[in-house]
Amino acid sequence: NAGVTQTPKFRVLKTGQSMTLLCAQDMNHEYMYWYRQDPGMGLRLIHYSVGEGTTAKGEVPDGYNVSRLKKQNFLLGLESAAPSQTSVYFCASREQGQNTGELFFGEGSRLTVL
Amino acid sequence: QQPVQSPQAVILREGEDAVINCSSSKALYSVHWYRQKHGEAPVFLMILLKGGEQKGHEKISASFNEKKQQSSLYLTASQLSYSGTYFCGTHHTSGTYKYIFGTGTRLKVLA
Repeated sequence: NAGVTQTPKFRVLKTGQSMTLLCAQDMNHEYMYWYRQDPGMGLRLIHYSVGEGTTAKGEVPDGYNVSRLKKQNFLLGLESAAPSQTSVYFCASREQGQNTGELFFGEGSRLTVL
Repeated sequence: QQPVQSPQAVILREGEDAVINCSSSKALYSVHWYRQKHGEAPVFLMILLKGGEQKGHEKISASFNEKKQQSSLYLTASQLSYSGTYFCGTHHTSGTYKYIFGTGTRLKVLA
């Protein structure tokens, strides 16, 4: 019963390096989201997707890119990592519909940029 | 813009009550409440779909005042297990799929 799976769970990067975080869900959800959470802070929306092949900017999209080539996967990319991108990243998914249901979260990916 | 939650933090003794508020500058289409334990992902508590709706989950209940663009979470007779950070989550209007969270409220329950 996997739900939402994020890989990797931990990563350390040097400034300027690139990386991709993978989010996979097995619940056939249409909507997927990427959030970042800084220490003592809330969850801020980076990008989201309402279906395969679609993506949209959230509240803090700068420095990130995303792709949704397959319905079950939502990738978050950092082209040139900066120390300000040190954070815990959460992926979430939910069913289609305006007011249905909860977000299902992955366990989070902790990224440190040196 | 993130909904603002108040208080930012609260410390309780077991058995005490607390209220957490979520206020938005924009209309709230629906409100969800989540609790996050340290080092873990947020966990869904409940959803309120329309103004005036109230719901309960064990000794945790919530209300949604659509006109005031506010929701409140009520924790009654708090238990140690209630400790964590509480977030409200929302869509602002029916025409958007963007889902954002409030600023969060840290709750600590002491024995």
